Amino acid sequence: DAGVIQSPRHEVTEMGQEVTLRCKPISGHDYLFWYRQTMMRGLELLIYFNNNVPIDDSGMPEDRFSAKMPNASFSTLKIQPSEPRDSAVYFCASSPYLRGGELFFGEGSRLTVL
Amino acid sequence: TQLLEQSPQFLSIQEGENLTVYCNSSSVFSSLQWYRQEPGEGPVLLVTVVTGGEVKKLKRLTFQFGDARKDSSLHITAAQPGDTGLYLCAGDSPYNFNKFYFGSGTKLNVKP
Repeated sequence: DAGVIQSPRHEVTEMGQEVTLRCKPISGHDYLFWYRQTMMRGLELLIYFNNNVPIDDSGMPEDRFSAKMPNASFSTLKIQPSEPRDSAVYFCASSPYLRGGELFFGEGSRLTVL
Repeated sequence: TQLLEQSPQFLSIQEGENLTVYCNSSSVFSSLQWYRQEPGEGPVLLVTVVTGGEVKKLKRLTFQFGDARKDSSLHITAAQPGDTGLYLCAGDSPYNFNKFYFGSGTKLNVKP
């Protein structure tokens, strides 16, 4: 299996621009998670999906952030408009089940907003 | 405020030394996991513990879940440079099982 695939690996953009991060989970995994990692706050759960349906988005910072999962093999995290404080590494992870299940992480998308 | 507090935050030791990393919380967790993350990569699962008092061994790594399921420790014997990385504990709360909380992390550097 190829594992969780994220793109782009690196993104540098200017404040105010739209950013779209992409994720392909492991086939057969019913749960998909978006995390953000910074030095100050560590790994934070932003949102997770079960069978393509958003279950909990309480970690999404504000309305500038949105996430979709149009099918079982693709998800996007969009930031519009982006701000410098959004600079972080964004991880997508998938899991076959929720409680006690292993999270399989992608390699992350490093976002820098100037 | 982090739900799971890890200590120490940073640890730099010589190859061959032993070390222990702690993960503490005031909350009870139904299960707890330890991950290791290397630079430029995502975290990778090392172990899952689910029973209070449980001890699991993975080669030179020993993991323990506290009796009250509020804390855990990771002990590494005879550390090697390949053990270098960020160690993260993570737990799912039995009261809000939708949430999977990660600790603040312990950055370990093992010098040859």
